[in-house]
Amino acid sequence: DVKVTQSSRYLVKRTGEKVFLECVQDMDHENMFWYRQDPGLGLRLIYFSYDVKMKEKGDIPEGYSVSREKKERFSLILESASTNQTSMYLCASSTENYGYTFGSGTRLTVV
Amino acid sequence: AQTVTQSQPEMSVQEAETVTLSCTYDTSESDYYLFWYKQPPSRQMILVIRQEAYKQQNATENRFSVNFQKAAKSFSLKISDSQLGDAAMYFCAYRRRYSGNTPLVFGKGTRLSVIA
Repeated sequence: DVKVTQSSRYLVKRTGEKVFLECVQDMDHENMFWYRQDPGLGLRLIYFSYDVKMKEKGDIPEGYSVSREKKERFSLILESASTNQTSMYLCASSTENYGYTFGSGTRLTVV
Repeated sequence: AQTVTQSQPEMSVQEAETVTLSCTYDTSESDYYLFWYKQPPSRQMILVIRQEAYKQQNATENRFSVNFQKAAKSFSLKISDSQLGDAAMYFCAYRRRYSGNTPLVFGKGTRLSVIA
């Protein structure tokens, strides 16, 4: 069964901490994506990557960075966590002309 | 830029009844894909159904079917014989065909409740 795995389902971090959210896929997909999901706002794209070491900004990249050193792994980094980054974070992967396969999400709370 | 609009933030349906969720989109492209995703309370987003714009026939997957009206840029999801397990957030999404790595464009979602 193909999978996108997010390393944590729940995280609680302190304001100012550096936070790493990890995502791994086993489908050899070229494309990987990070979204945040907030009530009433739907899914908003933070960053995406279409190849190793390549990245593109999405709609809300401020306060975030990403890393893709290997094809299967795409990391989202909060350089200095703030309370307004409390959210659900979803990772997804895809091939060129199909839909996404999603991970199960990480609920991040910044206190 | 492409946009996807789901005009019903919340809907409810009686168990065993039929419900239709609405989705409209805006694009100048002629060849694209449309999707419906389901996100149950457990949070794993899963693909429900996929439609290729160049195909006239509406996609169906068991109790789920779509009404794809290309000229009207409408893509509604019909759920027949609704079950308690259908309760979830439903997201409509668009992707241009042959777009390489272009991300999906999502609507804001419709929360569906199923009443026993």
